[in-house]
Amino acid sequence: QKEVEQDPGPLSVPEGAIVSLNCTYSNSAFQYFMWYRQYSRKGPELLMYTYSSGNKEDGRFTAQVDKSSKYISLFIRDSQPSDSATYLCAIPSGSARQLTFGSGTQLTVLP
Amino acid sequence: DADVTQTPRNRITKTGKRIMLECSQTKGHDRMYWYRQDPGLGLRLIYYSFDVKDINKGEISDGYSVSRQAQAKFSLSLESAIPNQTALYFCATRSSGTGETQYFGPGTRLLVL
Repeated sequence: QKEVEQDPGPLSVPEGAIVSLNCTYSNSAFQYFMWYRQYSRKGPELLMYTYSSGNKEDGRFTAQVDKSSKYISLFIRDSQPSDSATYLCAIPSGSARQLTFGSGTQLTVLP
Repeated sequence: DADVTQTPRNRITKTGKRIMLECSQTKGHDRMYWYRQDPGLGLRLIYYSFDVKDINKGEISDGYSVSRQAQAKFSLSLESAIPNQTALYFCATRSSGTGETQYFGPGTRLLVL
């Protein structure tokens, strides 16, 4: 079993839709949970991170962690064509805090 | 100017050739990482470095080597390139003192024929 599994997509939605992106993880010791966004032909950039359980909101984006079920989600409200990108969940671990990534979900928001 | 730069951005090489990918950063971070990205597999860690004298293997280090020439420079070498090393390669940096965020370069797209 991979440490971090992500719904593969691709996902295509109309502009204005609510988007839900999801990952599961296997190690209950994980504490930090991150979402990176990667535009085509660019490097990933941090979108949001949360520590432990609960929700964190930043504008149209909400990151949610449910540690009891080892489930993390990213919600995008009022999605825009500029949100079209690949979204990667990532969890830092180990002494080097290297990131273990999900496989990524490619999102397309249609105008 | 970008904080993390990678050269070259694109490279085509032949099986058996030795090639080097370079990464430079102006963020002053001590930790540097090399990842590769393949479709459907996300990013996987190749090597990481805590500082100039501390280099460690990651999940998929076979066939690769690295050199940390200075705090700001971390290069990745493919000693004898093979086609299944065709991938997108990313360098990342992190400060050990200021949180979990890693900052990624723009990537190098490598094709091994």
